[in-house]
Amino acid sequence: DTVLTQSPALAVSPGERVTISCKASESVSTRMHWYQQKPGQQPKLLIYKASNLASGVPARFSGSGSGTDFTLTIDPVEADDTATYFCQQSWNGPTFGSGTKLEIK
Amino acid sequence: EVQLVESGGGLVQPGRSMKLSCAASGFTFSNYGMAWVRQAPTKGLEWVATISYDGSSTYYRDSVKGRFTISRDNAKSTLYLQMNSLRSEDTATYYCTRGPGITAYYFDYWGQGVMVTVSS
Repeated sequence: DTVLTQSPALAVSPGERVTISCKASESVSTRMHWYQQKPGQQPKLLIYKASNLASGVPARFSGSGSGTDFTLTIDPVEADDTATYFCQQSWNGPTFGSGTKLEIK
Repeated sequence: EVQLVESGGGLVQPGRSMKLSCAASGFTFSNYGMAWVRQAPTKGLEWVATISYDGSSTYYRDSVKGRFTISRDNAKSTLYLQMNSLRSEDTATYYCTRGPGITAYYFDYWGQGVMVTVSS
């Protein structure tokens, strides 16, 4: 299985720029997707195929990367962005990262 | 508006069976691949199974192969997950998800989830 590694947690202040990273154990081309999960809710698709904004997602969210290294950027961060962010690859059987918990100070 | 509503969860003993359902609305169900994704309590997400738009192709994670069966009824716009020989490690919230096209390897809409607890 392709293992996706994410840092466990981040804390930033409103208005700042935050980058959340995801590293794959092998190349997944651009088959990387990002989800936001707020407490008690189902996940929501933010970015698909590395850099494409999902429908209805604010332009403050963006994604980049290819191969093994990927980044989700939120700029500027808002208080409502408090959530856990998961990356997921679909190149080699779907697998998810363990999630990055984002705290807004 | 796309809606996915799961049902059928609850408490079940190890070794027993349970069938989950997912009622879809707000889109042409027969045009989309569907999948089940689960999340154990306070844990991350884990893909379980995918079915193509017409039901002709199915795919499973290794740990559920031979125990779980994904199926669909396009006339009823409903997705199913038959779970047999349940184990404690199957305890999780199960989400019904939609793929962006004829199959489902990433997931653009999610249901609210249904809890399955495997315990004696």
